[in-house]
Amino acid sequence: AQSVSQHNHHVILSEAASLELGCNYSYGGTVNLFWYVQYPGQHLQLLLKYFSGDPLVKGIKGFEAEFIKSKFSFNLRKPSVQWSDTAEYFCAVITGGATNKLIFGTGTLLAVQP
Amino acid sequence: DAGVIQSPRHEVTEMGQEVTLRCKPISGHNSLFWYRQTMMRGLELLIYFNNNVPIDDSGMPEDRFSAKMPNASFSTLKIQPSEPRDSAVYFCASTLSSGANVLTFGAGSRLTVL
Repeated sequence: AQSVSQHNHHVILSEAASLELGCNYSYGGTVNLFWYVQYPGQHLQLLLKYFSGDPLVKGIKGFEAEFIKSKFSFNLRKPSVQWSDTAEYFCAVITGGATNKLIFGTGTLLAVQP
Repeated sequence: DAGVIQSPRHEVTEMGQEVTLRCKPISGHNSLFWYRQTMMRGLELLIYFNNNVPIDDSGMPEDRFSAKMPNASFSTLKIQPSEPRDSAVYFCASTLSSGANVLTFGAGSRLTVL
């Protein structure tokens, strides 16, 4: 079965530090990849997505992610985090065989200390 | 558009009681998803509908759970009888089944079963 792995469950950073959150998926075919963010007490919002083309995608609030097909990875990055980035981040995938079924990773809780 | 609308936002009930969660998808969206979020399991897809028809209900935990979509603008998730382990936040999301598969999430219904 398809799955998504996020190895960092809890990350604590100071403001201005660089961020990289890991995401790996298990599926050998075509994938659509997503990062969603959930701010405290709020619902999930789309941060960025990859469908095709340039493997480096840029999202909102200075976030970017790189799709590396050979590594089955879609890591999220931000060069300098802010306190307002404190949230839970979810990687998700839709595989080519199921056009609508979005499978989420377990999430990474990011706490940014001022 | 008001987005995906869920009700109730919070529900506290006693074990054994019936719980009904409601969702109104974004107008024009023809795919609807129900997810459950818990600390232990993260975000789990329970069921999804295309054009009001259930496509995949493999994530529905057991017979106590049922979901319906009587028309394009309304869906319910019912738990009968409820148990304490059903306590979670239940999210509804919608999208268009063709084209970019970006889900828009509702604010969630936080269920507490005592």
